[in-house]
Amino acid sequence: SQQGEEDPQALSIQEGENATMNCSYKTSINNLQWYRQNSGRGLVHLILIRSNEREKHSGRLRVTLDTSKKSSSLLITASRAADTASYFCATDLNYGGATNKLIFGTGTLLAVQP
Amino acid sequence: DVKVTQSSRYLVKRTGEKVFLECVQDMDHENMFWYRQDPGLGLRLIYFSYDVKMKEKGDIPEGYSVSREKKERFSLILESASTNQTSMYLCASSLYGRRKNYGYTFGSGTRLTVV
Repeated sequence: SQQGEEDPQALSIQEGENATMNCSYKTSINNLQWYRQNSGRGLVHLILIRSNEREKHSGRLRVTLDTSKKSSSLLITASRAADTASYFCATDLNYGGATNKLIFGTGTLLAVQP
Repeated sequence: DVKVTQSSRYLVKRTGEKVFLECVQDMDHENMFWYRQDPGLGLRLIYFSYDVKMKEKGDIPEGYSVSREKKERFSLILESASTNQTSMYLCASSLYGRRKNYGYTFGSGTRLTVV
């Protein structure tokens, strides 16, 4: 199965509410990244958290990382209709080279109702 | 505005055709990647390259090849297109370095249909 698996697969909330998405992975990582994809478009990098970090913030985004549980969560606070998109976690594995090869999960589809 | 450009947004090809998907980045990134994205399967890595003329297989390289003759350009080649290669193809680039804490920049994607 995928290295990164998001939960839930789909999430529907009202504007102004918070949205939380979770990601679990299997092997040791160098860092974990979150991306957003609007329908039918390319992915946009949101935030990166290193394996020695536990929490990181960027605007309305908060990411946590628990390496002992091999899991991460993405919290979007005060959601807006424009946040409607698919969200993917991606793990940068310690595979030895200098190229960071990312393995993506299957994504969480977030729908924010106005 | 720095970016990754994929030459076609939509493409329709016939079974057996040789198909070229082009990707150009203007950020002087060393690494370039090709993924395909299918419903329920997420993004799967086809090939990547960390330098001119260098390439490495990803998780699903069968039926594909790549070319990187110049740093800014990374081409994905379907030698003989088949219907199971109908998919969204995404190109990405990133910096190269031992610290490796870099995000990817993605192109807008090419939706390929093989009929």
